[in-house]
Amino acid sequence: NAGVTQTPKFRILKIGQSMTLQCTQDMNHNYMYWYRQDPGMGLKLIYYSVGAGITDKGEVPNGYNVSRSTTEDFPLRLELAAPSQTSVYFCASSYVASGGKSYGYTFGSGTRLTVV
Amino acid sequence: KQEVTQIPAALSVPEGENLVLNCSFTDSAIYNLQWFRQDPGKGLTSLLLIQSSQREQTSGRLNASLDKSSGRSTLYIAASQPGDSATYLCAVKISSGNTPLVFGKGTRLSVIA
Repeated sequence: NAGVTQTPKFRILKIGQSMTLQCTQDMNHNYMYWYRQDPGMGLKLIYYSVGAGITDKGEVPNGYNVSRSTTEDFPLRLELAAPSQTSVYFCASSYVASGGKSYGYTFGSGTRLTVV
Repeated sequence: KQEVTQIPAALSVPEGENLVLNCSFTDSAIYNLQWFRQDPGKGLTSLLLIQSSQREQTSGRLNASLDKSSGRSTLYIAASQPGDSATYLCAVKISSGNTPLVFGKGTRLSVIA
């Protein structure tokens, strides 16, 4: 199994451009997440989804949008790129049982984005 | 608000040494705690997951303990090897369901041959 796959691995954007970071998982996990990681700052949650058609904001959602049309895919959209969005972006997934029991997270390998 | 702290931020040890990485959290009412490894320029690899009802988990040379009452977890690495060099991240889940993980900033470990 591939696990969580993110594309692209690297990208340079100009200020004001837009792009979509792709994330797909093949583990039939119901929960999916987008984090950003800045040097010395740890991982911050941008958005998450508890299932197809359901998304919610995390700690740092401004400047981003997400959608979850299928269980497998959870793309992250940047509409007007800004230098403050230069970061490494990680997608993750997990399985939460119907009774609420949560299992461990699986992370993708990340997308390194630079906005100039 | 739950906060996770990992001290030290960096650690350098000679090969073969046993070592302990520390993680502390401010709110003891957690659901589970997970340790990850991150190699430079790579994603996060899950090492161990401890549910709130458990005291420890073991995988090979790794042993993670959890003391909820004191808000602490430790990751013990036995007989360290240069291949163990990486950043180790601790993350806690506050409750079941849709609450996300809260991460510490990590400990960067260097094992010197």
